[in-house]
Amino acid sequence: GENVEQHPSTLSVQEGDSAVIKCTYSDSASNYFPWYKQELGKGPQLIIDIRSNVGEKKDQRIAVTLNKTAKHFSLHITETQPEDSAVYFCAASKSGGFKTIFGAGTRLFVKA
Amino acid sequence: AAGVIQSPRHLIKEKRETATLKCYPIPRHDTVYWYQQGPGQDPQFLISFYEKMQSDKGSIPDRFSAQQFSDYHSELNMSSLELGDSALYFCASSKRYGYTFGSGTRLTVV
Repeated sequence: GENVEQHPSTLSVQEGDSAVIKCTYSDSASNYFPWYKQELGKGPQLIIDIRSNVGEKKDQRIAVTLNKTAKHFSLHITETQPEDSAVYFCAASKSGGFKTIFGAGTRLFVKA
Repeated sequence: AAGVIQSPRHLIKEKRETATLKCYPIPRHDTVYWYQQGPGQDPQFLISFYEKMQSDKGSIPDRFSAQQFSDYHSELNMSSLELGDSALYFCASSKRYGYTFGSGTRLTVV
């Protein structure tokens, strides 16, 4: 079945530095790749997503890149701030009501 | 904007009891998903419904069942609860792409 691997599991950066989280997926039919931020005790919140017909997408300090050939995609956060500290999940799915498969999560610590 | 509403927020049950979790999707969203998230783990897919029909099934125990009603709200029924069922249960809804998650129900089985 579909599998999503996410690295690293923990990431600690200094405020102002960049953070990069990488994921790979196994199902070549996956065509939608969202990223979620989850704070303690809350549900995952969608922060950015990318579809398979696009290679890169940017929204202010957050960008996502997708390499369909290699089946990997990455989240880039620039100018990190302490409030960026959370668990980030990558995910992959296919359109049509199919389930989303999540990566194992990356716990990001941004040190002030 | 309306979000996904889950109730209750917290639930404490004893072993072998039953629990019912409710989810109210965003209006006009046609798909509902249920996920279970243990401490420090990623959300694990349980089951989904598209237009009131089961559309996909994951690692949902036989002790659990779910359905989606005519008003599109969904209920997750859990019977013969075990200590290992203690977790956060999230509901998400979508229309085509992108999930919106609810705030979750924290179930504690004692």
